[in-house]
Amino acid sequence: GAVVSQHPSWVICKSGTSVKIECRSLDFQATTMFWYRQFPKQSLMLMATSNEGSKATYEQGVEKDKFLINHASLTLSTLTVTSAHPEDSSFYICSAVFAGTGGHGELFFGEGSRLTVL
Amino acid sequence: DAKTTQPPSMDCAEGRAANLPCNHSTISGNEYVYWYRQIHSQGPQYIIHGLKNNETNEMASLIITEDRKSSTLILPHATLRDTAVYYCISLGTGFQKLVFGTGTRLLVSP
Repeated sequence: GAVVSQHPSWVICKSGTSVKIECRSLDFQATTMFWYRQFPKQSLMLMATSNEGSKATYEQGVEKDKFLINHASLTLSTLTVTSAHPEDSSFYICSAVFAGTGGHGELFFGEGSRLTVL
Repeated sequence: DAKTTQPPSMDCAEGRAANLPCNHSTISGNEYVYWYRQIHSQGPQYIIHGLKNNETNEMASLIITEDRKSSTLILPHATLRDTAVYYCISLGTGFQKLVFGTGTRLLVSP
């Protein structure tokens, strides 16, 4: 299947710093990518929809100035957590839509990035 | 809000079939049923999807009722490595508003 890669897989940072997480579709082009966050023992929560060449669409309650999303190319979307605080510590997961050669398409997920803010 | 409901947890003995149900009573005609699973601290893994016909692949089988209001994911011979949270999702074209429910935590025991 198609591969989506995230980097870094884990990061520890000090409170007040900014952290950038990359999401790449390695063998296909993705015009749409999604960003999720997941707290321990909870389900994935959709944060935003990232569209190549346009502004991201954020879900209600997600601060767009806090979580900056850039989807500058068909294979890369980035999530920047600005001025991170301990409550931003979470597991961040991206996904990309693989249109395929026909049919409905599939959604593939990255491995996730665990952010710990001290 | 999630448009599907699943039991919070299920147990299965190793080697036996695991049947995971999902209710999607409000599914619309153009929405597919997708199943993903998430092993601890990993990204979700695609399993299978279908519209109205039953589907089978190397991982699992998907049985969709004729009225499409519910479906069952079948792992024919569960192994310990199948222990994970399984998510059932209804999706229309374009993967808009992909919302996860709470999923079913499957525990496969020896």
